[in-house]
Amino acid sequence: QVQLVQSGAEVKNPGSSVKVSCKASGDSFTSYIFTWVRQAPGQGLEWMGRIIPSLGTVNYAQKFQGRVTITADKSTTSRTAYMELTSLRSEDTAMYYCETDWGNFNFWGQGTLVTVSS
Amino acid sequence: DIQMTQSPSSLSASVGDRVTITCRASQGIRNDLGWYQQRPGETPKRLIYAASSLQSGVPSRFSGSGSGTEFTLTISSLQPEDFATYYCLQHNTYPHTFGQGTKLEIK
Repeated sequence: QVQLVQSGAEVKNPGSSVKVSCKASGDSFTSYIFTWVRQAPGQGLEWMGRIIPSLGTVNYAQKFQGRVTITADKSTTSRTAYMELTSLRSEDTAMYYCETDWGNFNFWGQGTLVTVSS
Repeated sequence: DIQMTQSPSSLSASVGDRVTITCRASQGIRNDLGWYQQRPGETPKRLIYAASSLQSGVPSRFSGSGSGTEFTLTISSLQPEDFATYYCLQHNTYPHTFGQGTKLEIK
């Protein structure tokens, strides 16, 4: 079993940045792959990007290219991922989720609500 | 980017009904597709992976099929807890992409 625990809710001003963390607990020998998904209020799920720490690869959705950076801690078994979004605007108000697979199982963090408001 | 077109966008049905939701990919994605259920206020939950494999613990009334560009999620006999929004997700090619969702409501 894997549990993903995300950092707490954030309120940010337009133009600022936010960094959300996601820590995996469970199998200590696994290097996790982390995916970030967001959901604006009343809207659908939106894939933002994925990091594979063991390969050193990161892929982003074109929509967020240049504004989003996904990283993971540098330990041998990366268990914490981060998603930083810059130049925030009101349309970035959303719930941000991390998710991972472990074998054929799929796990989601509890979500982090980011509110962008002046 | 691969576009995932889900239909219908909303669906009204009764307990006991059989319902089918379709996802079409703008290009072939083999069977690299999952189906997710999201109830209001909850995090998404994957029901089906690899297009047709039932996630452990998911009731057998859920089934998935398809390959290439056409995929379906079928619920054989709707239960009250199935009224939710359903999404498909392709993970064949980066960026991965979700369908726009199908909201399943009680008739």
